[in-house]
This record gives sequence, structure tokens and C-alpha cells, in this order.
Amino acid sequence: DAGITQSPRHKVTETGTPVTLRCHQTENHRYMYWYRQDPGHGLRLIHYSYGVKDTDKGEVSDGYSVSRSKTEDFLLTLESATSSQTSVYFCAISEGSGGYNEQFFGPGTRLTVL
Amino acid sequence: KQEVTQIPAALSVPEGENLVLNCSFTDSAIYNLQWFRQDPGKGLTSLLLIQSSQREQTSGRLNASLDKSSGRSTLYIAASQPGDSATYLCAVRLSGANSKLTFGKGITLSVRP
Repeated sequence: DAGITQSPRHKVTETGTPVTLRCHQTENHRYMYWYRQDPGHGLRLIHYSYGVKDTDKGEVSDGYSVSRSKTEDFLLTLESATSSQTSVYFCAISEGSGGYNEQFFGPGTRLTVL
Repeated sequence: KQEVTQIPAALSVPEGENLVLNCSFTDSAIYNLQWFRQDPGKGLTSLLLIQSSQREQTSGRLNASLDKSSGRSTLYIAASQPGDSATYLCAVRLSGANSKLTFGKGITLSVRP
């Protein structure tokens, strides 16, 4: 258990509304990641962070933004949710300072956009 | 671009069988490879991390091997049990700063009692 929690765990929202998902870690790991998991596509990286206020895009970043104002929290925001963003979202951390080490995942957030 | 393939997508075996799950990748310049397990509706659980300089890693009934030159890794599960039923994913990290994991789509394993 890498001490990763995600909130909320489930959310139903309507198209066009903003949504923020939170990832919280208790062990001060430098690297944090947001993924989405969809049938037929597997896990895809949305954004990642390599330190407070240091973030970068992954392969499916359009329509998403992130923020990291504290080491322990990494927020994922859908500015205007669309039905294509219905998915399961996972947060992950990577141990160590270089981001090369073992990754551990949170329990996930199931988001439905109607 | 790194591509990771896991074939077959699903596998059903009787309890007690030793089995091998395969993972192949296109770019051999990897830093490490990680195997995960995912139960339905749950997050990913890390099983084994194997560095590019290693050939094998073992944890209990699990053994992961890595052959970088051929772009392959295998996860060996000894004496399979119904509790091993889950989806198994492999993920590869290339060398280089801020490199990310590239995931395969997973193999869904069902172990029949």
C-alpha cells in the first residue's frame, strides 16, 4: 500500500460541467501520474507531475488540466466534461526521485458523463 | 513509439496448471518492465519490477523474465489457483529523463476450480 487515495471514487455529471478529481499521497513521492482506462484502449497517460508546480502532458491530455500546489496532492480537472471522458481514472506515484522506479496505483475514480 | 502487446487477450486454465503470460515490446531500449495485476473494479497492484540489467525476478509463485534483445517478457505462474483469476498487465519504461510507462492491454486469466 503506497498510501494513495482518490476522491471521489464515483461521480456522475452532465456534459459541460467542470469536474475535479483529487489524488492524495502520504509518502512525499516526487512523481505523480493521472491515467485513464477504457475498454479496447488500455491505460493511457493524461498528465504527470515531477514536483510541486511541475507538470507535463501525456498522450491524451486534450480537455484535461492538472495542478500540484503541494507534494501530496495532484488534481485533475475536466474544464467542460464530455461523454468521451466517461472512464475510470487512476492516479499513480513512482517511488524515488528520478521517476524510474516502481509505480503504484490508487483505487481509481469511475466517472460517468451524461 | 513503443508498443506493448499481450497475446492472447484471455486465457482459461484448470487449477494447478503452471502457466506463462507473454508480453512483447517493440523498442528494446528499455529501462525497466513492470507486471501488474488488476482485479475487476479495482486498481492495479504491482507484482514485479524487472530492471533492464536483470534477466529474472521472483516473488512467491511468480517469476518474471526479461529478454531485451528479443523484446519479450514472460510472467510465469506456478500451480495456478482460482484466486489468481484477474487481468495481468505489463508495462515498459524506456530509458531517458521523465520517461513514462507504456502499457499492454492485459491478459484476462480465469483459473477454473
